[in-house]
Amino acid sequence: QKEVEQNSGPLSVPEGAIASLNCTYSDRGSQSFFWYRQYSGKSPELIMFIYSNGDKEDGRFTAQLNKASQYVSLLIRDSQPSDSATYLCAAFGSNYQLIWGAGTKLIIKP
Amino acid sequence: EADIYQTPRYLVIGTGKKITLECSQTMGHDKMYWYQQDPGMELHLIHYSYGVNSTEKGDLSSESTVSRIRTEHFPLTLESARPSHTSQYLCASSGDSTYEQYFGPGTRLTVT
Repeated sequence: QKEVEQNSGPLSVPEGAIASLNCTYSDRGSQSFFWYRQYSGKSPELIMFIYSNGDKEDGRFTAQLNKASQYVSLLIRDSQPSDSATYLCAAFGSNYQLIWGAGTKLIIKP
Repeated sequence: EADIYQTPRYLVIGTGKKITLECSQTMGHDKMYWYQQDPGMELHLIHYSYGVNSTEKGDLSSESTVSRIRTEHFPLTLESARPSHTSQYLCASSGDSTYEQYFGPGTRLTVT
């Protein structure tokens, strides 16, 4: 079992709708969680990080963390075609390393 | 402007050649990382460093080596390139008291 799991997708969402991306992790000692966006052929770009249970909002993006259930999610409101990319979830584990998920490919359909 | 740089961006080289991929950062970060990523595939950590003269191998076995003589510079060397080394190589850094990593633009290596 991978330590950080994501559905590989592709997840197809109509333009203007809410895209919901999910991630589960196995290391209960993980305290910090990160969402990165990676366009095809480009390097990952940090979108958001979250440390505390609950929601954290930044513009059209909301990160949600539930430590009891060991899942992290990213909501993208008013999805735009430019949001089409692969979204990587990462957890800072108890071994002091970032553990990466394999990513979810998101496609926003105009 | 604080940033992380990688050169070259693209490299096509023949089998058996020695190559060095450069990574430099002006972010003042202590920690630096090298990842390997094939198209559409996940990131694999191949080397990391927590400071000058500190280097460790990552999760993915790699025939490359790294050095960290200066805080801002973390080059990766392949002594004898092979077609199996064809991939994208990403350099990243993170601060001493933060966990998020910031990536350079990557080097796309093709070994013929």
